[in-house]
Amino acid sequence: QSVLTQPPSVSAAPGQKVTISCSGSSSNIGNNYVSWYQQLPGTAPKLLIYDNNKRPSGIPDRFSGSKSGTSATLGITGLQTGDEADYYCGTWDSSLSAGRWVFGGGTKLTVL
Amino acid sequence: QVQLVQSGAEVKKPGSSVKVSCKASGGTFSSYTISWVRQAPGQGLEWMGRIIPILGIANYAQKFQGRVTITADKSTSTAYMELSSLRSEDTAVYYCAVWRGGPLDYWGQGTLVTVSS
Repeated sequence: QSVLTQPPSVSAAPGQKVTISCSGSSSNIGNNYVSWYQQLPGTAPKLLIYDNNKRPSGIPDRFSGSKSGTSATLGITGLQTGDEADYYCGTWDSSLSAGRWVFGGGTKLTVL
Repeated sequence: QVQLVQSGAEVKKPGSSVKVSCKASGGTFSSYTISWVRQAPGQGLEWMGRIIPILGIANYAQKFQGRVTITADKSTSTAYMELSSLRSEDTAVYYCAVWRGGPLDYWGQGTLVTVSS
């Protein structure tokens, strides 16, 4: 059971837009920055969005992030077949004395 | 640009230990934290713990307390994760990742650890 909650799967047609939600609590999303990771099949996770809505160099502006309260959202526009991957949200959680990094369970994106 | 290169795949017997290495290049090793994250087959990401190499201080996820040890060698810019008392449920890909206070921004390629009798 993951600390952050994501939908298991989403799908949309090429060229369309999709959003992926990530729900947490005040000990994690509510008081910390959220990042998003893309994991293509058989590869390591790759940073997609950091500090809720910033994109690392090289990430196209088709990818966007937002946060409100204890939830965050990843948006992908102009879907391409190459976007088919698992997407994870992550953030620091301070509910325990030493803190810990927590992730969502992951969302599988299918581009139909 | 930081690059992390991990050691190769391992096959271990139940009850044994495994030690995975993660060598960093292209950055200042002592200026960031190394986290370890694992992913069981078909499952999501699970944070195991982290080390601050410049201080040599590590902290661990509660689930792995007593079974995992994370260390770092500043002289070779290499971090290590040792997991003991292995069981079949520990079969997973283990990743190291750089954390500089924000996101986990650079990841190693992953090391598959298979626990099987």
